[in-house]
Amino acid sequence: QLQLQESGPGLVKSSETLSLTCTVSGGSIISSSYYWGWIRQPPGKGLEWIANVYYSGNTYYNPSLKSRVTISVATSRNQFSLRVTSVTAADSAVYYCARCLIVEVPSCYFDNWGQGTLVTVSS
Amino acid sequence: SYELTQPPSVSVSPGQTANITCSGDKLGHKYASWYQQRPGQSPILVIYQDKKRPSGLPDRFSGSNSGNTATLTISGTQPTDEADYYCQAWDSNTEVFGGGTKLTVL
Repeated sequence: QLQLQESGPGLVKSSETLSLTCTVSGGSIISSSYYWGWIRQPPGKGLEWIANVYYSGNTYYNPSLKSRVTISVATSRNQFSLRVTSVTAADSAVYYCARCLIVEVPSCYFDNWGQGTLVTVSS
Repeated sequence: SYELTQPPSVSVSPGQTANITCSGDKLGHKYASWYQQRPGQSPILVIYQDKKRPSGLPDRFSGSNSGNTATLTISGTQPTDEADYYCQAWDSNTEVFGGGTKLTVL
């Protein structure tokens, strides 16, 4: 059974860089059928897609975050990661990693989600 | 940028049918997906490619998509269906989520 687990600091200082890793178990990240993505949810608010990555390294980003975000994949460790630079209080959220099943490149839907990790940006 | 619009809330009595809509420009030309999120939990997929159900999901959940509107229909609504529901579609290399609809079963 596929499982995704987010890890990283729960507290980040304003203007610094947020770094999270998603470890995939129960299946290989090397698959032509999936992207791997990050989605976040500020407290009490809705879902916001951040970025997707393919095992080969191809990436897709939310245009509103693209200038501050980097998504990457480490196939040897079955992990993918997220970096968000110059964080502010607006970046405080639960961050989810998820598997995205490809329908028609690059369209996909998220069929497996991690439990999420709360990141708070402090001043 | 592309936007998906959902009603903030929908109320339904137990056993009745709930319809949750998601509107976007020419949404019917794209695939719509739906996610259920109970309080304190991660979202789970309930509908993909407009009307397909993941294995193990009750057939009370169904979907449709035409014109500018996708609809999630929950028949014979149960108290356990009370949750937030989000639609999602892909446009111009971007995943887009709707703002979410809180379904209240009362």
